[in-house]
Amino acid sequence: GAVVSQHPSRVICKSGTSVKIECRSLDFQATTMFWYRQFPKQSLMLMATSNEGSKATYEQGVEKDKFLINHASLTLSTLTVTSAHPEDSSFYICSARDRLTNTEAFFGQGTRLTVV
Amino acid sequence: GIQVEQSPPDLILQEGANSTLRCNFSDSVNNLQWFHQNPWGQLINLFYIPSGTKQNGRLSATTVATERYSLLYISSSQTTDSGVYFCAVVPGTSGSRLTFGEGTQLTVNP
Repeated sequence: GAVVSQHPSRVICKSGTSVKIECRSLDFQATTMFWYRQFPKQSLMLMATSNEGSKATYEQGVEKDKFLINHASLTLSTLTVTSAHPEDSSFYICSARDRLTNTEAFFGQGTRLTVV
Repeated sequence: GIQVEQSPPDLILQEGANSTLRCNFSDSVNNLQWFHQNPWGQLINLFYIPSGTKQNGRLSATTVATERYSLLYISSSQTTDSGVYFCAVVPGTSGSRLTFGEGTQLTVNP
């Protein structure tokens, strides 16, 4: 299957700093990528849809100024958590589909963010 | 929005047992996938199955789209099958976003 690479897998940062998470599709192109957040023992919740060359679409209740998304190419989307606080600590995971087939979604390895 | 319900929420098995996980959804779907989330958080694709039946080794899945449910069968379970199994769907009228169920936590004991 297709490969989605997410980096870093784990990050610890201080309150008030910003953290950037990268999501790359390694063997396919994706016009759309998705960012999810998962709290312990809960399901995945969609945060935003990243659109190549245009603005991201955020789900209700997600602060677009706190979670900056950039989708500059057909293989890379980035999520930047700005001015991080301890309540932003969570597991963040991205997904993408091959734009040619647009069927099965593949997920990155996830990023465990801890804000201290 | 669409509702995705998975059952049971928790399942404990002895190694070698068979099990059936269920996913009900409240509206028509264009896409349905089953995933296994391993202890490190990685989502492993099991099946892309908007309709019909598929098999892959000890796992198989069936989706009856007209009746709005999907089943995941695990036969001869192994301890490595432990983890959370998620069903996720793309509603028929809602672009390409996956909506996840709450998952089934499976524990297989030796």
